[in-house]
Amino acid sequence: DIQLTQSPSSLPASVGDRVTITCRANQTIDKYLTWYQQTPGKAPKFLINDASTLQSGVPSRFSGGGSGTDFTLTISSLQPEDFATYYCQQSYSSPPSFGQGTKLEIK
Amino acid sequence: EGQLLESGGGLVQPGGSLRLSCTASEFTFSNYAMNWVRQAPGKGLEWVSSISGSGFRPFYADSVRGRFTISRDNSKNTLYLQMNSLSVADTAVYYCAKIRRLGTACCDAFDIWGQGTMVTVSS
Repeated sequence: DIQLTQSPSSLPASVGDRVTITCRANQTIDKYLTWYQQTPGKAPKFLINDASTLQSGVPSRFSGGGSGTDFTLTISSLQPEDFATYYCQQSYSSPPSFGQGTKLEIK
Repeated sequence: EGQLLESGGGLVQPGGSLRLSCTASEFTFSNYAMNWVRQAPGKGLEWVSSISGSGFRPFYADSVRGRFTISRDNSKNTLYLQMNSLSVADTAVYYCAKIRRLGTACCDAFDIWGQGTMVTVSS
């Protein structure tokens, strides 16, 4: 099974900051990496698929990159509504797997 | 865009059973593989099971194989998860989630999620 490791696990930041979250796979997953955003008590929200394709309606301050084993999610200028937990997920092979999550916290 | 609504969660004793349902609307349910994903309290997301649009290709996580059964009734636009031999480790919010791509049996992004239903296994 493919394992995903996100770093950092927690990221203190301020409104307006540029932040980057990393997701690393233990084997190549080509471009098949998805990012989700989850706020407390809510279901995950689909943000980005295929490493860098932004879902319709997702603000352009979000961007994804990478391929193979190393991927990034970048938020160019943090807004108050962006403070949430972010998960990566691989869809390269079964079983689909998630990273452990990165909690973006207000500094 | 589509909506999913789970039901059937609740409190059950260890060793007990529960059946979850997920009703879909606003998309052609039979065209898409569907999944169950769970989240234990304070923990991350764990994929549980998936089933193809036709219902003939179920997949399971090792942690639930042999105890959980996924199924669907396309005439009712409903996905099910029959959970048997439940243990405390199965305590979680259970989400149903739709596969993004038409006709894909497995392994794609989950583009629509339900609000989740809480399953608590406790004596």
